[in-house]
Amino acid sequence: GNSVTQMEGPVTLSEEAFLTINCTYTATGYPSLFWYVQYPGEGLQLLLKATKADDKGSNKGFEATYRKETTSFHLEKGSVQVSDSAVYFCALVFSGGSNYKLTFGKGTLLTVNP
Amino acid sequence: DTAVSQTPKYLVTQMGNDKSIKCEQNLGHDTMYWYKQDSKKFLKIMFSYNNKELIINETVPNRFSPKSPDKAHLNLHINSLELGDSAVYFCASSPRLTSGANVLTFGAGSRLTVL
Repeated sequence: GNSVTQMEGPVTLSEEAFLTINCTYTATGYPSLFWYVQYPGEGLQLLLKATKADDKGSNKGFEATYRKETTSFHLEKGSVQVSDSAVYFCALVFSGGSNYKLTFGKGTLLTVNP
Repeated sequence: DTAVSQTPKYLVTQMGNDKSIKCEQNLGHDTMYWYKQDSKKFLKIMFSYNNKELIINETVPNRFSPKSPDKAHLNLHINSLELGDSAVYFCASSPRLTSGANVLTFGAGSRLTVL
């Protein structure tokens, strides 16, 4: 079945540091890929997405590129802020057919210190 | 405000009780979901309804019963609550059922604590 593996947290960085959160997936066919973010005490919200190979999703300074050859969708940001402290979830949904479930990774807690 | 709203935000109850969590979306979406988030932040889908019809029913104890009176509402009723039911329950909605770019809008969550 489809699955998502993301790096275990927690990740602790200083402000303005470079961030990478690794995400790899296993899926039959060509899934769409997402990063969701959960700020403390809130529900999840979409951060960025990519629907086909080599697409780059970007939002709020975060980027991730859909790499079919390595089945990866790593999240990066060049300079993190304290306000980026949250839990980040990588997710996939299979495109087409009846397999429409959004499958999440286990989440990675990011803490950014001033 | 357009949103997914769920009530109550916090619920503390004794083992064996029956409780309900309500969810409403005013986004005009066709599809609604219930997810359970455990203490380690792991998210697992429980149910999905599309236009009031049950579509996804994961391996969830039948003490959990969803009800969708209309496509804007999806409630979750839990009978005979157990300690292991303690979690945060998230309602979500999406415009339609089948789409490779289907984006979910989540509610703020309902934290259930069973004592």
